[in-house]
Amino acid sequence: DQQVKQNSPSLSVQEGRISILNCDYTNSMFDYFLWYKKYPAEGPTFLISISSIKDKNEDGRFTVFLNKSAKHLSLHIVPSQPGDSAVYFCAASYTNAGKSTFGDGTTLTVKP
Amino acid sequence: KAGVTQTPRYLIKTRGQQVTLSCSPISGHRSVSWYQQTPGQGLQFLFEYFSETQRNKGNFPGRFSGRQFSNSRSEMNVSTLELGDSALYLCASSKKTGANTEAFFGQGTRLTVV
Repeated sequence: DQQVKQNSPSLSVQEGRISILNCDYTNSMFDYFLWYKKYPAEGPTFLISISSIKDKNEDGRFTVFLNKSAKHLSLHIVPSQPGDSAVYFCAASYTNAGKSTFGDGTTLTVKP
Repeated sequence: KAGVTQTPRYLIKTRGQQVTLSCSPISGHRSVSWYQQTPGQGLQFLFEYFSETQRNKGNFPGRFSGRQFSNSRSEMNVSTLELGDSALYLCASSKKTGANTEAFFGQGTRLTVV
């Protein structure tokens, strides 16, 4: 039972446009969500997070939106840059879970 | 501040052998988690150690084991290697245990079982 799903394995956008990466979860206990970015031959790096008490968190070009009723979150990147090309992982956790549960990742390609 | 260091970066082993991977967390971080990533798959949680104690364990067979030392460095061992164990093994450290906190990942150890 996959509790965190990223249904789009890949996404391609033009430089300067908006990238929207989606993530769905099934476990109602999740109350903390994170996005990580991974370049080839490197480990994932933390990008942005959001607590379930919020519905939006913004950090520069990156904004994460959380819709608890739909059990859905999304990462918006505006404007997209070629350097944003990477695999993006969504992760979810809850207090006392002891771990984050990751989705399978979405490969973002930003074309110049 | 040094990041998470994993050694070795690459490893080739034969079926049936055993392997030990090492992870040095960021200074001051007491939690170390291990993940397995296979092609097309997300990060599958193996286990987490905090203050030398295993706090959480994923759904992996007993062939996968780990430990943490007093300096927070951690090792992961896989015995009786199978072809399906070929994967990228990632270690992540964080200041506090487990959940609701960002993790800092190492570059991973690419294990190939032939």
